[in-house]
Amino acid sequence: QKEVEQNSGPLSVPEGAIASLNCTYSDRGSQSFFWYRQYSGKSPELIMFIYSNGDKEDGRFTAQLNKASQYVSLLIRDSQPSDSATYLCAGEYGNKLVFGAGTILRVKS
Amino acid sequence: GAVVSQHPSRVICKSGTSVKIECRSLDFQATTMFWYRQFPKKSLMLMATSNEGSKATYEQGVEKDKFLINHASLTLSTLTVTSAHPEDSSFYICSASDRVGTEAFFGQGTRLTVV
Repeated sequence: QKEVEQNSGPLSVPEGAIASLNCTYSDRGSQSFFWYRQYSGKSPELIMFIYSNGDKEDGRFTAQLNKASQYVSLLIRDSQPSDSATYLCAGEYGNKLVFGAGTILRVKS
Repeated sequence: GAVVSQHPSRVICKSGTSVKIECRSLDFQATTMFWYRQFPKKSLMLMATSNEGSKATYEQGVEKDKFLINHASLTLSTLTVTSAHPEDSSFYICSASDRVGTEAFFGQGTRLTVV
């Protein structure tokens, strides 16, 4: 069974700090992983995706993938209160996305 | 990025009636559309995968006759919740991609409340 696990949080960080969000997956069949941000009552917005081992950076966001450990993470540098949201990790299997339950991030000013 | 428009954003209906939700890809042709359901503080649950011109593929446990999906064109898929009941109240979200293996873009979501 394909599962994507996330700590539900909430993860609280002070403004300006680095927020680290983690995700593990059970099935090695996935080659691509996605991070989405979802504000309350809204649909998810894609932040970035990663399919190669290592790091991928986009502005304040860095995604990290370790296929050997079946682990994906998202780092948010210089966290802002506007980053407060639920972050969803998803693995792609075939043409479907399997989502984790999401981690609530709270950035305190 | 690509735009996926979902309508309506919010609907309240009486128990026993049917509700249709539309999902349109505005600037690309969506060969595949996905319908999700999300309960409060829970993750997205894939309900079905819709391919243009063919029958939708439903996930295990999702009633085909309850949730009718039509993908009549490359830019439009509809989800009809038939004979809605209060337990069908949820946040329904569609997403669309233009080819396998690419990122999917989400619609704005539809908040369905059945009273």
